[in-house]
Amino acid sequence: GESVGLHLPTLSVQEGDNSIINCAYSNSASDYFIWYKQESGKGPQFIIDIRSNMDKRQGQRVTVLLNKTVKHLSLQIAATQPGDSAVYFCAEGPEGGADGLTFGKGTHLIIQP
Amino acid sequence: DAGVIQSPRHEVTEMGQEVTLRCKPISGHNSLFWYRQTMMRGLELLIYFNNNVPIDDSGMPEDRFSAKMPNASFSTLKIQPSEPRDSAVYFCASSLQTHGYTFGSGTRLTVV
Repeated sequence: GESVGLHLPTLSVQEGDNSIINCAYSNSASDYFIWYKQESGKGPQFIIDIRSNMDKRQGQRVTVLLNKTVKHLSLQIAATQPGDSAVYFCAEGPEGGADGLTFGKGTHLIIQP
Repeated sequence: DAGVIQSPRHEVTEMGQEVTLRCKPISGHNSLFWYRQTMMRGLELLIYFNNNVPIDDSGMPEDRFSAKMPNASFSTLKIQPSEPRDSAVYFCASSLQTHGYTFGSGTRLTVV
C-alpha cells in the first residue's frame, strides 16, 4: 500500500512579523532542550538551547521559553526574514552527559513576502 | 572549522548490497551520533558513541545495521544487506558535553 508521510504543522507569517513555534515534550526527566533549524537538503542547524534551571533564554532575534510544569517549549523569532523559512525541530535530553537527544516532528515555517 | 563531514552525499544501491556511510566529527568533540530521517518517522537516534565507545545502540533497527568508531576522527555506519525500507537521509552529529550537536549535511540513501 502507499505510505503516508508525516504531515508537518505549518506556520505561515508575513515577513517582518514575529513568529512563535511551539513544542510539547513528553519526558519529564529531560533537563536540556534545543531548537534546530533545517533547510531543504541540509542537516539540522543549532539555533539555541536552554537548561531546565531557566525558563527563558535569548539569542539574536530568537527567544526560547520553557515551561516544565506543562512540558512546553516555544521558540520566538523576531522580525522574520525570508531566510527563516525552514523546518524547526525541538529536541530534549538528559542533563550532565552526552546522551542522545529525542527530536520532535518539526514545524514548517513559511515566510510570506 | 570544516564541521562534521559525511560521505557520500548521495548513495544509490541495489537491494542486498552492502552500504557504508562515513563520518568525520569535529576535532575535539568527544561524542558522535548517528541519526536517520524519514518522512514517516522524522529524526531517529540510531546509536551514539562517547570517547569512541558505543553507549546506546537501542535505536539500531536490525542486526543488518552496525556502526564503528575506530578512532576519535572517524565513524562508519554499515547496512548489510540493504533493503528498500532503509532508504532515508542518514545524519552524523558530534558534540562536546552536549553543548548542542553539530550535524553533518547527511547522506541520502536510496535502495532500489
